[in-house]
Amino acid sequence: DQQVKQNSPSLSVQEGRISILNCDYTNSMFDYFLWYKKYPAEGPTFLISISSIKDKNEDGRFTVFLNKSAKHLSLHIVPSQPGDSAVYFCAASGGGYQKVTFGTGTKLQVIP
Amino acid sequence: DAGITQSPRHKVTETGTPVTLRCHQTENHRYMYWYRQDPGHGLRLIHYSYGVKDTDKGEVSDGYSVSRSKTEDFLLTLESATSSQTSVYFCAISAGTGLPNEKLFFGSGTQLSVL
Repeated sequence: DQQVKQNSPSLSVQEGRISILNCDYTNSMFDYFLWYKKYPAEGPTFLISISSIKDKNEDGRFTVFLNKSAKHLSLHIVPSQPGDSAVYFCAASGGGYQKVTFGTGTKLQVIP
Repeated sequence: DAGITQSPRHKVTETGTPVTLRCHQTENHRYMYWYRQDPGHGLRLIHYSYGVKDTDKGEVSDGYSVSRSKTEDFLLTLESATSSQTSVYFCAISAGTGLPNEKLFFGSGTQLSVL
């Protein structure tokens, strides 16, 4: 039972354009959402997060949007750069647990 | 970068043999985790620890055991390795503040191949 889903395994975007990565969740107990970025042969690193009491959080070129009613969040990268090429994992936590549930990941390729 | 070291970085072993992966941290963080990454499954939690000698199961714990005898070290053991345990294994740590925005810091991973 995949509680956090990233339905697009891969995404290709031209440099300078917007990248939109999507994530859906099923567990209504989740109250915090995070995005991690992973380069090949490295561990994931934290990118940006959002609390369920907000609908938007912005950090430089990265913005995360949360739609609680739809149980959907998205990560926008504007403008996209070749260095953004990586696998992006959506993650969720909540319900009083220290455990974080990850999605399956989306591989982003930014084409120069 | 968080001080997390995983060893070995690569391991090839045969079915039925025991394997131990080590995670060492220098951050004095309370929580430590073992994840595995597989295509189509993302990152899945195997076991985690919330203190010395305090461990609990994750969602894919069958076939794995863990031990934490010191704050800085968290060991993952495959008692009898199977081909289905071929994967990339990541150790992660967190401060254990209990706050929902707590971030995980990951090691660089161990590529394990079971032949």
